[in-house]
Amino acid sequence: QKEVEQDPGPLSVPEGAIVSLNCTYSNSAFQYFMWYRQYSRKGPELLMYTYSSGNKEDGRFTAQVDKSSKYISLFIRDSQPSDSATYLCAMSYYGQNFVFGPGTRLSVLP
Amino acid sequence: DTEVTQTPKHLVMGMTNKKSLKCEQHMGHRAMYWYKQKAKKPPELMFVYSYEKLSINESVPSRFSPECPNSSLLNLHLHALQPEDSALYLCASSQASGRTREQYFGPGTRLTVT
Repeated sequence: QKEVEQDPGPLSVPEGAIVSLNCTYSNSAFQYFMWYRQYSRKGPELLMYTYSSGNKEDGRFTAQVDKSSKYISLFIRDSQPSDSATYLCAMSYYGQNFVFGPGTRLSVLP
Repeated sequence: DTEVTQTPKHLVMGMTNKKSLKCEQHMGHRAMYWYKQKAKKPPELMFVYSYEKLSINESVPSRFSPECPNSSLLNLHLHALQPEDSALYLCASSQASGRTREQYFGPGTRLTVT
């Protein structure tokens, strides 16, 4: 079993849809949960991070962590074509031991 | 300013060449990282420099050699590379190696080994 799993997609949605991106993980020691967005041929961009369980909102983006289920989600409201990118979850414990998920490719169609 | 810059943007080199990739950040961060990313894969950590100490992913071959001239600069020296080393090389930085949750990435150098 991989340490972090993520549906690779591609996920195609119409403009304006609510997008749900998810990761599961196996190591209960993970404490910090990050979401990165990566456009083609660019470096990853940190969207937000969450500590332990709970929700965090930033504009159209909401991150959720359920440590009991070892499951994290990123919701994008009112999706735009400019949101088309690969979304990578990442997680760490003890501030280090940083692991990326494999990424989900998202296409938002106009 | 959360900018990490990398040069060059693209590099083509032969297997007998020696070249260097450069990375710079002016955020006062004390930890810097090199990652390798193959197409449709997540970035893989190669090296971490934190407070002038180097941590190595032991699976990285010795033909990759990092150098940290000062706390804002990080180089990656390349020598006798193989075609399978062709990839996007990403630099990142964070306040400290214990703050990996807030890593900021550069745009990357796309390396092709012929």
